[in-house]
Amino acid sequence: GAGVSQSPSNKVTEKGKDVELRCDPISGHTALYWYRQSLGQGLEFLIYFQGNSAPDKSGLPSDRFSAERTGGSVSTLTIQRTQQEDSAVYLCASSAYGGGSETQYFGPGTRLLVL
Amino acid sequence: AQSVSQHNHHVILSEAASLELGCNYSYGGTVNLFWYVQYPGQHLQLLLKYFSGDPLVKGIKGFEAEFIKSKFSFNLRKPSVQWSDTAEYFCAVNARASGTYKYIFGTGTRLKVLA
Repeated sequence: GAGVSQSPSNKVTEKGKDVELRCDPISGHTALYWYRQSLGQGLEFLIYFQGNSAPDKSGLPSDRFSAERTGGSVSTLTIQRTQQEDSAVYLCASSAYGGGSETQYFGPGTRLLVL
Repeated sequence: AQSVSQHNHHVILSEAASLELGCNYSYGGTVNLFWYVQYPGQHLQLLLKYFSGDPLVKGIKGFEAEFIKSKFSFNLRKPSVQWSDTAEYFCAVNARASGTYKYIFGTGTRLKVLA
């Protein structure tokens, strides 16, 4: 595909349930980022992958959040035992190598609503 | 810790007015600076970036930004806005910390241009 894709586009879940969000980066991009966008909060960094490893997990808000990347491509962000404060738009971005001056290419996001 | 401040959260302008959106960052080392834009219903996309050379950077759609190192600022400007510039604008800093690059976004500025 030409761009970063994410699925599902929208997810409504009940408090306490687990959710999985998927990101397909641009083919060949080694760096992948997850962000959370809440109203009035800007983009909150969650985790960064370089290949399949995650050198920076510092943004994960709690141990209910985890992410993995397999084959240096697709990534899954999992939120266990969802809480209402997890409601937000989850954005994925990729870049070619993860270098400092690189542009990040963003997906459309997954809008998560926890009831 | 690195941080990015965007002081204007909401800006309303009439068409043909001049625009300046403020962005200040806190980081003492070498930085790469970005402005991203999110048009209604679209993905976040790069507007312009600075990583070296001329501190006055020109981007798409007539936007420009000036890196003033002494002021830790990277303000976005456009001499004459159009209705189609209505969007949310995010300033971002990417700098090396603890051996990896860290991308920090500001909280965003919502611009509404009145026709």
